[in-house]
Amino acid sequence: GAGVSQSPRYKVAKRGQDVALRCDPISGHVSLFWYQQALGQGPEFLTYFQNEAQLDKSGLPSDRFFAERPEGSVSTLKIQRTQQEDSAVYLCASSLEAMGNQPQHFGDGTRLSIL
Amino acid sequence: DQQVKQNSPSLSVQEGRISILNCDYTNSMFDYFLWYKKYPAEGPTFLISISSIKDKNEDGRFTVFLNKSAKHLSLHIVPSQPGDSAVYFCAASSAYSGAGSYQLTFGKGTKLSVIP
Repeated sequence: GAGVSQSPRYKVAKRGQDVALRCDPISGHVSLFWYQQALGQGPEFLTYFQNEAQLDKSGLPSDRFFAERPEGSVSTLKIQRTQQEDSAVYLCASSLEAMGNQPQHFGDGTRLSIL
Repeated sequence: DQQVKQNSPSLSVQEGRISILNCDYTNSMFDYFLWYKKYPAEGPTFLISISSIKDKNEDGRFTVFLNKSAKHLSLHIVPSQPGDSAVYFCAASSAYSGAGSYQLTFGKGTKLSVIP
């Protein structure tokens, strides 16, 4: 497709389960970002990839969060031993080049609910 | 401490009139600013951006103004249309400073309602 694709759109998990969220960026985009959006808030940065290299993971809230982009295209965000406070919308964004003055293009997100 | 602030949670405007959405920032390292529009259950859609070397950027009905000394930017939509009703997010990054990973810092958003 032409845009950023995320799956699943909705995920419900029990507290303590592991979850994996997928992002398929726009073809050819070098930069990929993950953000977390809580209800009523703006998106908050989690981590950044330039091709397959994870250059910044300063926004990951705990060591339960792990992200990868092994071949420089599709990325997976994994959350281990989920907690209720992990409930949020997880957004993926990509941009064409590894430059700061490039708009980031977002997917529709995965809404994660932890019971 | 919020580095990007949108102090108006909501705004109502008559169709055909001008909508003005405001945003303030505190981090002097920010030098690239963007506005995004978001409909319910969709991701943010990029609208318009401006770098700190400019004070105005225009794209059709959308104009962004930047006042660096006041650390303030605004988005003007004219004329406003009912389809513009959405949540608008202001975002900022340190694009040119070489510091960080070009991550965006967002405000909390302003919900715009354009009344027919």
